[in-house]
Amino acid sequence: EIVMTQSPATLSVSPGERATLSCRASQSVSSNLAWYQQKPGQVPRVLIFGASTRATGIPARFSGSGSGTEFTLTISSLQSEDFAVYYCQQYNNWSPLTFGGGTKVEIK
Amino acid sequence: EVHLVESGGGLVQPGRSLRLSCAASGFTFDDYAMHWVRQVPGKGLEWVSGISWNSGGIGYADSVKGRFTISRDNAKNSLSLQMNSLRAADTALYYCAKDMWGSPGAVDYWGQGTLVTVSS
Repeated sequence: EIVMTQSPATLSVSPGERATLSCRASQSVSSNLAWYQQKPGQVPRVLIFGASTRATGIPARFSGSGSGTEFTLTISSLQSEDFAVYYCQQYNNWSPLTFGGGTKVEIK
Repeated sequence: EVHLVESGGGLVQPGRSLRLSCAASGFTFDDYAMHWVRQVPGKGLEWVSGISWNSGGIGYADSVKGRFTISRDNAKNSLSLQMNSLRAADTALYYCAKDMWGSPGAVDYWGQGTLVTVSS
């Protein structure tokens, strides 16, 4: 099973600042990686798939990069609605699929 | 509009079985892979199982392999998860989720979940 490790567990950021979230895979997943945002009481929402492709309706301030084992989600200028928990997920065949433990982005 | 409605959750004793169902609508069901993802309230997401559009590809998390069985009925637009030998660690909110593609990929739609509680 591929283990996904996210860091940091919690990120304290001021509105308008840049946030950088990391996700590391225990073995290569190529670009088969997605990022999700989940707010309290809501289901997750996909932000990025294919490591760097924004999903429909996702603002341009969200960007993804990386391939292989190292991935990054960047939020260029945090808005109030961006404070949430973010998960990465690899989907490298049915190997099985796995999520990272999540990064909570909180207001500084 | 995509709708995914889970059912079948509830309170069950350890070692017993439960079958979850998901009714899908608003999209061409047999074009897409489907998944079950669970979440303990307040904790992270755990992928449980997935099935490709034609049932030709199936995967399970190591934690449920050999105990859970996923299946789909494309004629009825439905997804199921048969859960046997349930453990306390299986207690969670179980989401039915639609993949973006016919084989494993990212999830673009989620149901609201059905709660499974395993306790004596």
